[in-house]
Amino acid sequence: AQKITQTQPGMFVQEKEAVTLDCTYDTSDQSYGLFWYKQPSSGEMIFLIYQGSYDEQNATEGRYSLNFQKARKSANLVISASQLGDSAMYFCAMREQDSGAGSYQLTFGKGTKLSVIP
Amino acid sequence: GAVVSQHPSRVICKSGTSVKIECRSLDFQATTMFWYRQFPKKSLMLMATSNEGSKATYEQGVEKDKFLINHASLTLSTLTVTSAHPEDSSFYICSASSYGFNTEAFFGQGTRLTVV
Repeated sequence: AQKITQTQPGMFVQEKEAVTLDCTYDTSDQSYGLFWYKQPSSGEMIFLIYQGSYDEQNATEGRYSLNFQKARKSANLVISASQLGDSAMYFCAMREQDSGAGSYQLTFGKGTKLSVIP
Repeated sequence: GAVVSQHPSRVICKSGTSVKIECRSLDFQATTMFWYRQFPKKSLMLMATSNEGSKATYEQGVEKDKFLINHASLTLSTLTVTSAHPEDSSFYICSASSYGFNTEAFFGQGTRLTVV
């Protein structure tokens, strides 16, 4: 089974509107972390927001907020007041307990391509 | 946020030659570095994990003799694609993190490799 599922290959949003990008995850760990990254066409990965499994409050970073529903294992990204520069690929990722390699690997979803329409 | 520098950003090489990609953490000590490969319009696939001073751990299906990873210091990891073939053409991206579960992984800018 996929550990990270992003069901929306592509999304469109009108400029200045809000948009929600879906992410569900699968883990049996009690302690884990959830990340969202933005990848513009240039290819770099830009960290947006982090949510720890024990964090009671939903994470927020400027226009980004993470709608964390632990029981449903979902960690949707909400972008408010969309801007043209938000057009990019967005990846949800999960970090679980040490995989045995002595590190904490990230597992990525397949991504959602967001296009902001003027 | 912390800065990870990856070099080169683009490289074209001939089949059969080797290419080295560098990943440097500029303002923090990266105990762990990860190397990913990304095919067009696809997600990032983890190739290997390297901890400073020890051998890299490769994911299943990744040829360790073809993709040589060295993590000799806390600020530098290198990926060498040996005897490159056109099917090795891809986008390679590194990430670095310091030890700790809640630490963010910082990514390099990526390297687009084209083998002709």
